[in-house]
Parts: sequence; structure tokens; C-alpha cells
Amino acid sequence: QKEVEQDPGPLSVPEGAIVSLNCTYSNSAFQYFMWYRQYSRKGPELLMYTYSSGNKEDGRFTAQVDKSSKYISLFIRDSQPSDSATYLCAMSSGTYKYIFGTGTRLKVLA
Amino acid sequence: SAVISQKPSRDICQRGTSLTIQCQVDSQVTMMFWYRQQPGQSLTLIATANQGSEATYESGFVIDKFPISRPNLTFSTLTVSNMSPEDSSIYLCSVDRSGSTDTQYFGPGTRLTVL
Repeated sequence: QKEVEQDPGPLSVPEGAIVSLNCTYSNSAFQYFMWYRQYSRKGPELLMYTYSSGNKEDGRFTAQVDKSSKYISLFIRDSQPSDSATYLCAMSSGTYKYIFGTGTRLKVLA
Repeated sequence: SAVISQKPSRDICQRGTSLTIQCQVDSQVTMMFWYRQQPGQSLTLIATANQGSEATYESGFVIDKFPISRPNLTFSTLTVSNMSPEDSSIYLCSVDRSGSTDTQYFGPGTRLTVL
């Protein structure tokens, strides 16, 4: 079993839809949870990070962590074609070593 | 955030040769990291490079294959040595800008194809 599982997609949604991206994990020591967005042929761009459980909102993006279920989510409201990218979750137990999911490809259709 | 550049952005190399990838940051950082991103797989940490000390390699990666230099606080290089087609991948550097462990920023990557 991988430490971090992420559905690779692709996920196609119409413009304006609410998108839900998810990761599950097995290591209960993870305390830091990150979401990165990666456009084609670009490096990952940090979108959100959350410490421990709870929600964090930034504009159209909401990150949610449920440590009891070992489950994290990223919600995108009012999705735009410019949101089309691969979304990577990453986790850390508090060291520099991040464990990444394989990424979910999202396509928002105009 | 940090502004990170990598050179080259892409390259096509012959089997058995070596390629050195450069990573430049716009300000001084303590820790720099090198990752590999293979198609359909998650980012995998190769090694951590701190200025003034030997790089720390993760399991499955060795210095002879991936020698790293970190001559100052804004620059690092990764060499992929004696390449084979299995080394075809995207290589990314990242930095820990804030000194904490929750904010790694990535460069644009180097896309390597080995024939």
C-alpha cells in the first residue's frame, strides 16, 4: 500500500462547477498537508498548506483535512478553464521530506 | 515565495553520457532539494543539499549516480551520470524558503530524455 493515494483522473468538469480533489494516506504521523498545482511542462506551484486537522480557505480554494479518517480534500469553487492542471497532494510529518500523491489531472471545459 | 530557475529546461542525451542540471534561487536559502518526476508517478526526493555539507541521499539514490554540489546559498547542481533510458524523467529542484518544513517551492523542472 502506498503511503499516499490519489486518484489520477482525468477529471473533466464544466466551467463553474465545484471540484473536489482528494487524497488518502496511511501514516498517522503526517501533520502538514499541502496542495500543489502543476501546469503542463511547469514545476509544481504551492496552492495551500494546512497544519493538522481543519479547513483553510483562500479565495476559490478550500483545503480540508480529516486526520481521523486520514483523508484530505481540495475544493475549487466556480472552476475556470485556467484551473485545468494536475493537482498534487503532499504530506509531511514535520521534516523536510514530503510524500507526494501521483496527482489528479483536472480539465475544466469552457 | 521564491523565484527559482533551472538550466537546461530540456535536453536529449545519449546513453552513457552525463548531464549537469543547474538550479538558481533569487535569494539565500538553507535547504535545497532535488526531485525526480516520472510519468504517472509521484515526485520522488533524490537528495537534500545544504551549503557546506555533503548532500543527503534518499534510499535508492547514490552519490556516484547523482552527484550534487551546493557551493553557496543560492545555487546547486545535480548531475545525472552514465545515463540510461530509465533516467528519462523530469528533474526538479525545490527550496525551503522560510526555514520551516511546510513551504517548499519548486523550480520549473528539467525534462531529460535519454536515447
